[in-house]
Amino acid sequence: KNEVEQSPQNLTAQEGEFITINCSYSVGISALHWLQQHPGGGIVSLFMLSSGKKKHGRLIATINIQEKHSSLHITASHPRDSAVYICAVGGYGDKLIFGTGTRLQVFP
Amino acid sequence: DVKVTQSSRYLVKRTGEKVFLECVQDMDHENMFWYRQDPGLGLRLIYFSYDVKMKEKGDIPEGYSVSREKKERFSLILESASTNQTSMYLCASSLAGQETQYFGPGTRLLVL
Repeated sequence: KNEVEQSPQNLTAQEGEFITINCSYSVGISALHWLQQHPGGGIVSLFMLSSGKKKHGRLIATINIQEKHSSLHITASHPRDSAVYICAVGGYGDKLIFGTGTRLQVFP
Repeated sequence: DVKVTQSSRYLVKRTGEKVFLECVQDMDHENMFWYRQDPGLGLRLIYFSYDVKMKEKGDIPEGYSVSREKKERFSLILESASTNQTSMYLCASSLAGQETQYFGPGTRLLVL
């Protein structure tokens, strides 16, 4: 069993839909990270959170430490949100443990 | 802005060749990482360096070696490339004590 599990693996949506991607972890963590990888490869960090909720534009990330679960929400999705979204957890020196990613495609 | 660059975006090599992948960061970060990314497996750590000339094996170091002679540069070496090393290779860097990593654009390596 992976220490960090994401669901779903693949997700398709129509433009404008509300999207949720889930991440569960089985290990102790210092913080949880959400990252985005566009076609072509480059990965950027979206959020780092250790409690509660963070919002940036149309993206919202929440974490429930007791349940070892985090969600990434995208409101009013757009085709440019199409990417792979990766959950990662920290607390291992400066290293991260990554989930396998959720591939999102948003169609016009 | 932090910039992490990788020497090639695409690379095609023959089985048995020695392959060098280079990564350079311009923000004086202590930590540098090499990952490979394969479908369904996510990012897996090959090697980690926390200082010049310091290195630590990751989860899948077999078949790879690394070199960090200067703080800004971290090289990944495939001593004798094999077809099962065909993959996307990503470099990242971070400040010591910080979890946020900054990634390069990746090198897609095909070993024939």
